[in-house]
Amino acid sequence: GDSVTQMEGPVTLSEEAFLTINCTYTATGYPSLFWYVQYPGEGLQLLLKATKADDKGSNKGFEATYRKETTSFHLEKGSVQVSDSAVYFCALSDGPLLTFGTGTRLTIIP
Amino acid sequence: NAGVTQTPKFQVLKTGQSMTLQCAQDMNHEYMSWYRQDPGMGLRLIHYSVGAGITDQGEVPNGYNVSRSTTEDFPLRLLSAAPSQTSVYFCASSNRALWENQPQHFGDGTRLSIL
Repeated sequence: GDSVTQMEGPVTLSEEAFLTINCTYTATGYPSLFWYVQYPGEGLQLLLKATKADDKGSNKGFEATYRKETTSFHLEKGSVQVSDSAVYFCALSDGPLLTFGTGTRLTIIP
Repeated sequence: NAGVTQTPKFQVLKTGQSMTLQCAQDMNHEYMSWYRQDPGMGLRLIHYSVGAGITDQGEVPNGYNVSRSTTEDFPLRLLSAAPSQTSVYFCASSNRALWENQPQHFGDGTRLSIL
């Protein structure tokens, strides 16, 4: 079945550092790919998405490109802020239900 | 616009007790689902529904029951709670036709502890 493999955490960075969180997937079809973010004590919020190969999703300075050849959807941000501290989930779907990765906890220190 | 509302936010149960986690959405979404979140395991699908009167099992359905009598509500029942069901539970909903551009909306979660 479909699966998502995410970079193990936790990840700790200094403010203004460059961020990469790796995500690879296995799917039989052509899924849509998503990054969700979970701030402390809250539910999951959609951060960005890409629905087909070579699409780039972007939001709040974060970017991820749908790479079919490497089955990857890595999350990047050029300069992180303390407010980016959260848990990040990579997910895929070929319908209304999602398959999630295990999540990566990101902590940004001033 | 309330979105997806889950109650309660926190609950402590003793082993063997029963309870119902409530979930309601006001977006007229056909799809509703329940996930549990455990450390190191991400979110795993428990049960889902594609519309009123229709439910199906997800990845980890054992120990849980669901029903969908209305479009708005999708309660999750624990008939006899076990410590292994200690987790954070999330309800989510989505529009069947718009899922690609408007994927699942999540509630704020219910933190459940079974002693």
